Amino acid sequence: GAGVSQTPSNKVTEKGKYVELRCDPISGHTALYWYRQSLGQGPEFLIYFQGTGAADDSGLPNDRFFAVRPEGSVSTLKIQRTERGDSAVYLCASSLTSGIGETQYFGPGTRLLVL
Amino acid sequence: EDKVVQSPLSLVVHEGDTVTLNCSYEVTNFRSLLWYKQEKKAPTFLFMLTSSGIEKKSGRLSSILDKKELFSILNITATQTGDSAVYLCAVANNAGNMLTFGGGTRLMVKP
Repeated sequence: GAGVSQTPSNKVTEKGKYVELRCDPISGHTALYWYRQSLGQGPEFLIYFQGTGAADDSGLPNDRFFAVRPEGSVSTLKIQRTERGDSAVYLCASSLTSGIGETQYFGPGTRLLVL
Repeated sequence: EDKVVQSPLSLVVHEGDTVTLNCSYEVTNFRSLLWYKQEKKAPTFLFMLTSSGIEKKSGRLSSILDKKELFSILNITATQTGDSAVYLCAVANNAGNMLTFGGGTRLMVKP
């Protein structure tokens, strides 16, 4: 079946604007993760959902970042009052469950550029 | 705080060469170590290692974990230009489900 999909592929916005990034996980995967990858670095954890609830949001950098997963499938990462430092690739991953040994499969990411 | 360090940062080889990529880690309540290949955007899964000394192999790629010395290696034999990518190492602990990634090794294979 289809892998993890993310839209848009690229997003250019101006400082101070609001953006929404969408993630569509692999069908049937109950766990969903958001990571952020800056240029030349490895991905950094932002938030993890098990079903509809955010089980761990310890990686969100500040209260401008928020994510939802209202029906336990598609998730939206929302960034308010964007700053230039928010520019990065935002990666989404999903896994079948959140149990031990569950591999996370990644989407192609959204490249966000804040001017 | 969990920490993952990969070396070298970058590597340039010629087709046919064998390469070894290194990953060392510090993790509280280690659960597993994973290797991913990232060519453009999406990291693609290669291996998950949970036990020491057991080699995992897929074609020309293989990996092994040493839980005593806290490191893993990824070997690629008979490299091809299609192996050019960033290779990411990540660890998972028992306290949560997030992955902690290293900074990656950028491999370039020249014809």
